[in-house]
Amino acid sequence: KNEVEQSPQNLTAQEGEFITINCSYSVGISALHWLQQHPGGGIVSLFMLSSGKKKHGRLIATINIQEKHSSLHITASHPRDSAVYICAVKVSTDKLIFGTGTRLQVFP
Amino acid sequence: DGGITQSPKYLFRKEGQNVTLSCEQNLNHDAMYWYRQDPGQGLRLIYYSQIVNDFQKGDIAEGYSVSREKKESFPLTVTSAQKNPTAFYLCASSIQGSRPQHFGDGTRLSIL
Repeated sequence: KNEVEQSPQNLTAQEGEFITINCSYSVGISALHWLQQHPGGGIVSLFMLSSGKKKHGRLIATINIQEKHSSLHITASHPRDSAVYICAVKVSTDKLIFGTGTRLQVFP
Repeated sequence: DGGITQSPKYLFRKEGQNVTLSCEQNLNHDAMYWYRQDPGQGLRLIYYSQIVNDFQKGDIAEGYSVSREKKESFPLTVTSAQKNPTAFYLCASSIQGSRPQHFGDGTRLSIL
């Protein structure tokens, strides 16, 4: 069993829909990252969380440390949100464990 | 604009040849990392460096080598000892280990 599990693996949505991507982990962590990987392969860091909730524009990330679970929400989704979203947990100063990613496609 | 530059974007190699992937950053970050990404798998750490002239093996270092002679540069050599080198390689950097990592656009390596 992977130490970081994401669901769903693939997600399609119509423009404007509310989207939720989930991440569960089984190890002790100091922080959790949400990353966005563009079709060309480049990765952008969206959030780093250690507790609670963060919001940036249409993106919201939450984490529940007790339940070892995090969610990434996208409100009013748009085709430009189409990407792979990756959850990564920080288990030590220099070690991140990555989920396998959720591929999101938003259609007009 | 500051960032991480990986070159080339696509690289082809004949079996038995060593090849070096470039990673340069102008963010003045101390820590740099190399990851490998395979289809259906999460990124895996190959090597990392927290400071110039020092680096440590990650989870899958066999068949790879690195150097860190300058703060801004962290080249990765894929040697002929790497049995399955075809993959997407990502370089990242951070101010220190506890900060979010900045990623490059990656290099896709294919074996001819």
